[in-house]
Amino acid sequence: EVQLVESGGGLVQPGGSLRLSCAASGFTFSSYAMSWVRQAPGKGLEWVSSLSGTSTLTGRGFTTYYADSVEGRFTISRDDSQNTVFLQMNSLRAEDTALYYCAKGVPTAFLPLDYWGQGTLVTVSS
Amino acid sequence: EIVLTQSPGTLSLSPGERATLSCRASQSVSSNYLAWYQQKPGQAPRLLIHGASIRATGLPDRFRGSGSGTDFTLTISRLEPEDFGVYFCQQYGSSHKTWTFGQGTKVDIK
Repeated sequence: EVQLVESGGGLVQPGGSLRLSCAASGFTFSSYAMSWVRQAPGKGLEWVSSLSGTSTLTGRGFTTYYADSVEGRFTISRDDSQNTVFLQMNSLRAEDTALYYCAKGVPTAFLPLDYWGQGTLVTVSS
Repeated sequence: EIVLTQSPGTLSLSPGERATLSCRASQSVSSNYLAWYQQKPGQAPRLLIHGASIRATGLPDRFRGSGSGTDFTLTISRLEPEDFGVYFCQQYGSSHKTWTFGQGTKVDIK
C-alpha cells in the first residue's frame, strides 16, 4: 500500500525558514517523480514544485520545477536511501500559509499525481 | 502560464442527477494533458481522470472525462452520495513546466 506521510510544518515568522519532509513507502520510491502541492485555508490547490525520479531522468540528470510564486525561495530535494522527499522553504511570507501535500507522480511522468499524503500545515505569522 | 477557469463555481444537485463540470484553459493544453481530482472535506485530493479522458484505476464508469485543446468536461452520469465534494482540473502540458489547477467546482447536495 502506498503511503506518504508529511512532517515538519508549524508556525514560523515572516522571513523565516522551514523544512518539510515526506516519508514514502509501498512503492519503488527512487523511480517516481515527486511533487508538493499546497492549499491555503479554504482555498483551492496550488502546484508548488516537482522533482524527477529515475524514470523521468533526462540527459541533464535530475530535474526540478517550481511555481513562479516560490522560485528562488523554495528547494525540492530527495534522499532515495531514506525514501524521503524534502521541501526547504526560505524567506517565508504570510501568503505561504497553507496545508502542504506531498504527492507521487504516475509511472514515467511528473504528473498527474496518483497518491497524496494528508498534508502538513505551515503558518507564517508574527 | 496557462490559466484554468472552472464553471460553475457550485453545482447543487440531487443523487441520481447528472453533473457536468467545465474546465476552460487560457491556451491549448498540449497533448490533452488534463487531469481531474476530487477532494472531500478534510481529505487529500484523489485522482479521477488523466489525459483528459482516461479513468484512474478503479474509478466507476459513471465518471467520464472529455474535451481537447482549451475546453474540457467532467461528467458524472448519475450522482451517488459519495460523489459530493470539490472537483479540480489540472493541466500538466505546459512547455514552461508550470502546472496549474483550476479554482474548483463544488458539487453539493440540493
